[in-house]
Amino acid sequence: GAVVSQHPSWVICKSGTSVKIECRSLDFQATTMFWYRQFPKQSLMLMATSNEGSKATYEQGVEKDKFLINHASLTLSTLTVTSAHPEDSSFYICSATGGRPNTEAFFGQGTRLTVV
Amino acid sequence: GQNIDQPTEMTATEGAIVQINCTYQTSGFNGLFWYQQHAGEAPTFLSYNVLDGLEEKGRFSSFLSRSKGYSYLLLKELQMKDSASYLCAVQTGANNLFFGTGTRLTVIP
Repeated sequence: GAVVSQHPSWVICKSGTSVKIECRSLDFQATTMFWYRQFPKQSLMLMATSNEGSKATYEQGVEKDKFLINHASLTLSTLTVTSAHPEDSSFYICSATGGRPNTEAFFGQGTRLTVV
Repeated sequence: GQNIDQPTEMTATEGAIVQINCTYQTSGFNGLFWYQQHAGEAPTFLSYNVLDGLEEKGRFSSFLSRSKGYSYLLLKELQMKDSASYLCAVQTGANNLFFGTGTRLTVIP
């Protein structure tokens, strides 16, 4: 299957700082990328959907000014958690599709964010 | 809104068969995925259904009934390594993927 690379795999940051997470599709053009958050023992919750070259669409309850998403190219999307708080500590996972309907979404390895 | 339900936990015996159910009510439907997820790792793809019926892939099979908003994942000849969370996910008209609550399966000897 296709490869999606997510970095970093884990990060610890101080409250009030910002953290950037990168998601790259290595061998296909990802016209659509998705960002998920997963709290312990819970399922993946979709945060936002981003299409290359356009603004991300955020799910209800997700603050767009806090979780900045940029999808500037067909192989890279970034999620920046701004002014991080301890409650933002979570597992963040990106996934990408090639844009054709009904295609499998390929997942990055995930990023474990701990805010102290 | 999207509503996707799965049992929270299941336990089954090594070598047995287990069926994990998923019911859904979503705005739009382009297909249904099943993923396996081990703790702390990203989900891995298991199966995809878009038409009604059964899709078989080795020890794993997945069934879909669009009219009933229902799917199940069938795991045969269970192995200890099958202990994981199993996520049902519905792809909506916007190509978004919404996940169910996940079912934590424990395989016991």
